[in-house]
Parts: sequence; structure tokens; C-alpha cells
Amino acid sequence: SQQGEEDPQALSIQEGENATMNCSYKTSINNLQWYRQNSGRGLVHLILIRSNEREKHSGRLRVTLDTSKKSSSLLITASRAADTASYFCATDGNDYKLSFGAGTTVTVRA
Amino acid sequence: EADIYQTPRYLVIGTGKKITLECSQTMGHDKMYWYQQDPGMELHLIHYSYGVNSTEKGDLSSESTVSRIRTEHFPLTLESARPSHTSQYLCASSSSGSSGANVLTFGAGSRLTVL
Repeated sequence: SQQGEEDPQALSIQEGENATMNCSYKTSINNLQWYRQNSGRGLVHLILIRSNEREKHSGRLRVTLDTSKKSSSLLITASRAADTASYFCATDGNDYKLSFGAGTTVTVRA
Repeated sequence: EADIYQTPRYLVIGTGKKITLECSQTMGHDKMYWYQQDPGMELHLIHYSYGVNSTEKGDLSSESTVSRIRTEHFPLTLESARPSHTSQYLCASSSSGSSGANVLTFGAGSRLTVL
């Protein structure tokens, strides 16, 4: 069953703007991960945040986690055309099986 | 170069045919997974394996079967394909490593169309 749900479903921004997407989940987690998928390709791991962390940065990516609200957000700063992709959150419980949501499709306009 | 390979990338076949989607990884990962993804939809776990001779069904019921005879190889087979099997199939692998976190490496996917 679906654990993570991303919001919004789709996002269109101008190059240089920031993109923010959210993920909500239902059960307790060990960590939460974000992946990117370019059209017709497999997913690529972007960043992982553990359940005892509140914020994490990697390059232009910033991830927050609020375990009390069971939610996470991914911020991409200074977006580029190459950031056009679908972004998925994935929750990792205690069983080595990641549960993915339906993703947020981000379009960066030049 | 360590990677995970899926073949074929695209396959169009008729109803009733038997097909095997291949997945191989050169990273020595112990865990391997098959996800099914329809356009714009979430990924559904259909099979997983935590090691050689270990396979389990995932959260989404699937008529496909898998085998794990070698660490690096995790093929998925459909004995009799139907139009409802039309989808993208994504193979992934992982190793918990020293960090204990289960980060997946995905193949490029196999897009199956059953006519």
C-alpha cells in the first residue's frame, strides 16, 4: 500500500526559481529518501534523512523532516532546466522495503 | 563500472507469449527488487530478494515470478502475458552497508506492451 504521498502532483517554475514539494506518510520510519526520475528512465537517489534528523542539505537540495506530522519537504534552489523530472519520496521502515509515492512532476521553463 | 542493467528496454509482444525481463547488477548487492510503475503513478513493489535462493512477493499482487540463483542476477518471468501486464518494470538493488541505510540503485527500466 502507498506510504508516501507527494504534493503537489505537478509544478511548473521559471529557471532560477525555487521548487518545493512535500511528502506525507502514514507509519513510523527509519529514514526517508528522495529520488529523481527523468522521463522514461530509472530512479536516481538524491538524499536521505534519518528519523532523528530535522534538516539536511546537499548542494542545491534541502530536505526537512517532521516526524510528529509525518511529513517531509524537498526544496530545490535556483532551479535549472536539467532539474525537469519527477521527484519521489520513499519511506524506509524496518524491513528493507522502500515504499514510494506517485511523485511530483517538476517542469523548469527556460 | 559498477551498475545495474535491464534488458530489454522496450518489448512489444502479443497476448499469451512468455517473456523474461533480465536484471543484472555488478555491485555485489545482496538485496534486489522489482517495481511496477504505470505512467504518473506510484511505484509498486512486486518482488524482492534478500539473497541467493530467497524471493518474496511484494505489496502488489503480480502474476509474474522471479528467481535468484546468482547474487548478480534477478530475472522476472511472465508465463502468459496479457494486456493488463502492460507497464514499466524497474529493477533495483541495494546493500545496507556500514551506514545501515537501504539506498536503492535502479536500472533504466523495461517498458512492456502487450497487444
